[in-house]
This record gives sequence, structure tokens and C-alpha cells, in this order.
Amino acid sequence: QVQLQESGPGLVKPSQTLSLTCTVSGGSISSGDYYWSWIRQPPGKGLEWIGYIYYSGSTYYNPSLKSRVTISVDTSKNQFSLKLSSVTAADTAVYYCARGTMIVVLYYWGQGTLVTVSS
Amino acid sequence: QSALTQPASVSGSPGQSITISCTGTSSDVGGYNYVSWYQQHPGKAPKLMIYEVSNRPSGVPDRFSGSKSGNTASLTISGLQAEDEADYYCSSYTSSSTLVVFGGGTKLTVL
Repeated sequence: QVQLQESGPGLVKPSQTLSLTCTVSGGSISSGDYYWSWIRQPPGKGLEWIGYIYYSGSTYYNPSLKSRVTISVDTSKNQFSLKLSSVTAADTAVYYCARGTMIVVLYYWGQGTLVTVSS
Repeated sequence: QSALTQPASVSGSPGQSITISCTGTSSDVGGYNYVSWYQQHPGKAPKLMIYEVSNRPSGVPDRFSGSKSGNTASLTISGLQAEDEADYYCSSYTSSSTLVVFGGGTKLTVL
């Protein structure tokens, strides 16, 4: 059974960089035809897709965040990561990592982690 | 404003059926059979309920079904149960540079 777990600081100051890691267990991150994605949900609001890293290492980001987002993978640790720079209060959200066979078929999700942007 | 339009809320009594709509355009819902539906209980991660318009992942009850007509996709839940009370989100592939769009979510209340 594949499991994903997000980790990282719960509080980030404005203008700094938000950094989160998703640790994958129950399967290798480098095997299989999967999209490893990040999605976020502001408190009380809907879901927003951030981007993905494909098992081959290629990435794609939501154009609205593209200039600030980097998704990378560390196969030795079976982890993939999210970095979001120059954060503002609008970036306060629960951040989820997920695995999908397609970018819109996200079968496995992490439990989510709340990141608050505040001084 | 979300790219896909869903009703803010729907409700039904136990045993009844309800349908949640998800309206997009020919660039997303209408143009591709890549519509998914997610169920989210408070404080929990979304759970995939339907993919590729009408397919159910293993473990999802057959009370949940999906369909599409034109630019509108629908999620139908028959034989409503108390545990179905949750938020439901549709998602679609889009030909725009965004690639993935979500609906604004629908709160299902089981009366």
C-alpha cells in the first residue's frame, strides 16, 4: 500500500521560501509511470493544482505559480519536494502531495500539511 | 473563481439519489474524457471516487457513478448514506497551459 507523508515548516515569513517534502513509502518513486503532484487548499476554499514531477524527472507547473515554483525529486530518499518562493499571505494553505497515473487521476494522497505565511 | 462550475451545495435524505453537476467548456470537460471526482471529509485529504468520467477505483461503492454530456459532467450518488456527507470536487484535464482545473466544490448534506 503506497503512502505519502508531507513534512516541513508550518510557519513561513512573507517573502521567504516555502519548502515541503513528501516521503513515499510502499513503492519506489522512480519506478512506474506516475505523476508526483502537489496540490494546495486555502482554508475554507477549493483545491488548486500546483504542479508535478513525472517519474522521468520532467516537470510541469501551474502557470499562475510557475515563476515561483520548483518541484524536485530525491530518489535516494524516495522523496519529492516543493519550493515556493516569495510567499505572501495568499499562499497560506493546506499543501497535499499526491501520486497519479495521470495528472487528473490522483489516487494516493498525503494527509496534508498546513502552512501559514505570517510575520 | 474556479475554472469548473459546481453548485455550492446539494442535499438529500438517506436512501435518496442526488446528482452534482460540473460545467466547463469544450477546452476541458467537453473536449476530453478526463474528468475525475474527489470526496473530501472535513480535515481529511481528498479521495478519488471517479476517474475518466465514469470509472470507479477499486473499493469505491457502486452507489457512486459518473457521466458526461457536452460540457457538463455529473456525479450521481444513489442510496445516500450518512457517511456520504462531504465536499465533492470535480477535476478535468484542460488544453490550456493550466493542464488541470478543479471545480469550486459542492457540499453534500445528508438530511
